[in-house]
Amino acid sequence: GIQVEQSPPDLILQEGANSTLRCNFSDSVNNLQWFHQNPWGQLINLFYIPSGTKQNGRLSATTVATERYSLLYISSSQTTDSGVYFCAGGPFYGGSQGNLIFGKGTKLSVKP
Amino acid sequence: DGGITQSPKYLFRKEGQNVTLSCEQNLNHDAMYWYRQDPGQGLRLIYYSQIVNDFQKGDIAEGYSVSREKKESFPLTVTSAQKNPTAFYLCASSGSDRVDYGYTFGSGTRLTVV
Repeated sequence: GIQVEQSPPDLILQEGANSTLRCNFSDSVNNLQWFHQNPWGQLINLFYIPSGTKQNGRLSATTVATERYSLLYISSSQTTDSGVYFCAGGPFYGGSQGNLIFGKGTKLSVKP
Repeated sequence: DGGITQSPKYLFRKEGQNVTLSCEQNLNHDAMYWYRQDPGQGLRLIYYSQIVNDFQKGDIAEGYSVSREKKESFPLTVTSAQKNPTAFYLCASSGSDRVDYGYTFGSGTRLTVV
């Protein structure tokens, strides 16, 4: 099955700093999503991004499908950005989603 | 507001008991999923359903059962056959239109064996 590797596993930032999180896939995926899990366990979908670049406020993501990786950029980080960032990928079958396979996550701590 | 509701938030199970976790969505999504998360780990798929009255096993289905009798509901039963059920359980749903492909998650149920 598809393997998902995320790096770095842990990241500590000073408030206001920028960061880049990376996600590598062992095989091609045509369903790729990024999530943020807050310290209380709630998972929020950040991006559905099988290819190309998207931006949402201080967050942006780029997926290079031909090279099987995706990047999540966080600019001007804030303490509320702390938590765990997961990427997940999987196939589409005839218009329906298959399983999303999750990476182990990047744990981000933003210090004031 | 549309969303996914999981209940209860905390659940304690005695050895040998079956327990059922509730998951309800009002997003009109066709697909629903159950994931398990252990401390410091990613999410692992237990079961998923693309349509009412149909569901498929995920990577760790042993010791679990599900039903999908209504589009809005996808309950998960943790049976006594599940040897290590203490974990955080997350339910998700997704739509069938491109604008709706992103997974929406519930707030989770923390299950502890006592």
